Amino acid sequence: DVKVTQSSRYLVKRTGEKVFLECVQDMDHENMFWYRQDPGLGLRLIYFSYDVKMKEKGDIPEGYSVSREKKERFSLILESASTNQTSMYLCASSPAPYGYTFGSGTRLTVV
Amino acid sequence: AQTVTQSQPEMSVQEAETVTLSCTYDTSESDYYLFWYKQPPSRQMILVIRQEAYKQQNATENRFSVNFQKAAKSFSLKISDSQLGDAAMYFCASVTQGGSEKLVFGKGTKLTVNP
Repeated sequence: DVKVTQSSRYLVKRTGEKVFLECVQDMDHENMFWYRQDPGLGLRLIYFSYDVKMKEKGDIPEGYSVSREKKERFSLILESASTNQTSMYLCASSPAPYGYTFGSGTRLTVV
Repeated sequence: AQTVTQSQPEMSVQEAETVTLSCTYDTSESDYYLFWYKQPPSRQMILVIRQEAYKQQNATENRFSVNFQKAAKSFSLKISDSQLGDAAMYFCASVTQGGSEKLVFGKGTKLTVNP
């Protein structure tokens, strides 16, 4: 079975900390995505990547950056965490347009 | 730009009954795909059903079927013989064929199944 693994299920960080959220897929997919999920807002795209070292901004990239040094790994970086970045973060990979495979999410709390 | 709208924040259904979740979308493209995803309390997003826009026949997966009205840009999900395990958030999503391959999601509908 296809798998997308997010390294942490729950994370608590302090304001101003640099935070790394890791995502690994084992399907050799070229496309990977980071979404943020908030109640009443659905899923909003933060960044996506078509290939190693390739990245593009999504709809809400402010305060975030990404890294994709290897095909299977796509990292989301919060340069200086703020309380308004408390959210659920979902990683996905895709051989689109056949639908994404999602990780199980990281619930990040910034205090 | 694509948009996806789910007008029902919450729905409820009795076990064994049928429920329909609504979704409308807007796109200027002719080739696109539409999806319904389920997110149970475990948070794992699960693909329920997929529809290719060029296909006139409505997609079906066991108890799940869609009513795809291309001209009206409507893509509703029907769940028959509802089960307690169907309780979840349901998200409608679209992606453009040959485009950036970004999925655009609606805001979701929370489905409660009453025993």
